[in-house]
Amino acid sequence: KAGVTQTPRYLIKTRGQQVTLSCSPISGHRSVSWYQQTPGQGLQFLFEYFSETQRNKGNFPGRFSGRQFSNSRSEMNVSTLELGDSALYLCASSRWDRSYGYTFGSGTRLTVV
Amino acid sequence: AQTVTQSQPEMSVQEAETVTLSCTYDTSESDYYLFWYKQPPSRQMILVIRQEAYKQQNATENRFSVNFQKAAKSFSLKISDSQLGDAAMYFCAYRSRGYGGSQGNLIFGKGTKLSVKP
Repeated sequence: KAGVTQTPRYLIKTRGQQVTLSCSPISGHRSVSWYQQTPGQGLQFLFEYFSETQRNKGNFPGRFSGRQFSNSRSEMNVSTLELGDSALYLCASSRWDRSYGYTFGSGTRLTVV
Repeated sequence: AQTVTQSQPEMSVQEAETVTLSCTYDTSESDYYLFWYKQPPSRQMILVIRQEAYKQQNATENRFSVNFQKAAKSFSLKISDSQLGDAAMYFCAYRSRGYGGSQGNLIFGKGTKLSVKP
């Protein structure tokens, strides 16, 4: 059974640019969540999508957005990148009720220069 | 709002020995889930063990077990017969059982870096 796949693994962008990250969940998982991991703030919840609808949203500015497609694949977009957006972005998928926890991908390391 | 605290930034254990990682949390809810995740240098967060708050029995997964003290809001992880492959960051996480609003997402502690000495 394939795991959660995130692409790309590494990304370097310039301040002011925008970026799109992709996440393919485990087959059958309809919930996809995104987390930002930084040394200073730790792991912070960005948003969660279920059946193409945003189900929950963390406390991040509107520059951070996401969407989910009918095949449950999800993308997150960050516009007008800032140096502070440099982080590991982790995607996690779960069953609809999340009761058995989440399966994470290996993340996308974003560096903003 | 719920919070999760891991008071040990780093821990070290000798191979084959036992180590316990601490986690406390704060919540006003009575029903929730608690998790321990492991993050090796490969970056992928791996679920180690899961505990449902309404179950009094402590969860166990092979060499990993928890000591869940609901009244004290404590959820420690015990690793027995430590192996070199256990070296990683360990994160304690909380999730509400409900579905509305901001419920459902994981709330993580800051993590504990575990080193295993051969």
